[in-house]
Amino acid sequence: DAEITQSPRHKITETGRQVTLACHQTWNHNNMFWYRQDLGHGLRLIHYSYGVQDTNKGEVSDGYSVSRSNTEDLPLTLESAASSQTSVYFCASSTWTGELFFGEGSRLTVL
Amino acid sequence: KQEVTQIPAALSVPEGENLVLNCSFTDSAIYNLQWFRQDPGKGLTSLLLIQSSQREQTSGRLNASLDKSSGRSTLYIAASQPGDSATYLCAVGMNYGGSQGNLIFGKGTKLSVKP
Repeated sequence: DAEITQSPRHKITETGRQVTLACHQTWNHNNMFWYRQDLGHGLRLIHYSYGVQDTNKGEVSDGYSVSRSNTEDLPLTLESAASSQTSVYFCASSTWTGELFFGEGSRLTVL
Repeated sequence: KQEVTQIPAALSVPEGENLVLNCSFTDSAIYNLQWFRQDPGKGLTSLLLIQSSQREQTSGRLNASLDKSSGRSTLYIAASQPGDSATYLCAVGMNYGGSQGNLIFGKGTKLSVKP
C-alpha cells in the first residue's frame, strides 16, 4: 500500500543545533506539506511544495527550510533549533482533488 | 484571514447516541472542506472530503454537510461507538490558485463515547 513515512518519530536535540526531519511518500503526489501541531494553536502550515524544485512558505516558516529534489521526499530542516520549535511535526501529501494524507508525526524536543 | 472554529471543544456521549460536530469558517471562498480524525499520539486520518460544489458526503455511519453561504459544516455520526472516541478536526482549503491541500485547520472537538 502507498504510504507516507516520517523519521525520526522522536528526537531530542539542543538549542542551536541543526535538525532535519525526513518525509517520504509513495503515492507519487505532487503536493507535499509540513505542519506543526501545538496545544492551543492547532495545526499550522510551515512550508509546502507543489512539485520538484517548488517550495513555498506557510504561516509559520521562520527558522525552517525545505527542499524538493524529487517527487517522493520533502525534508524539513531547522537551521538552528530553538525551544519554541519543540512541537509535533506532521508531513502530508495531497491528491489533485485536495484530499490530504498525513504521516504519523515526528515529536521534537529542543532543550 | 480565514478562521475555522469548532464547537464544542470537547463532547462526551453515551454509546449508541447520534451526534453532530460543528465547524464554522469566516471566508466562504473555499475550495473544499475536509474532516479528519486524530487518535492520541497518531497522525490525522482523512474521513470525508467535500468539494465546494457539493452539499454533503457520506461514508458508513458518517455524514458531512457543507453550507458555504453560512460558513458552516457539520459531521454527523450515527449510532456512536466507544471506538469513535478521538479528536475530530475540520479543515478548509482556500480557493486561490494552486492551493489544493493547503488547509486551514480548526482546533478540533475531542469526542468521548462512554460504553
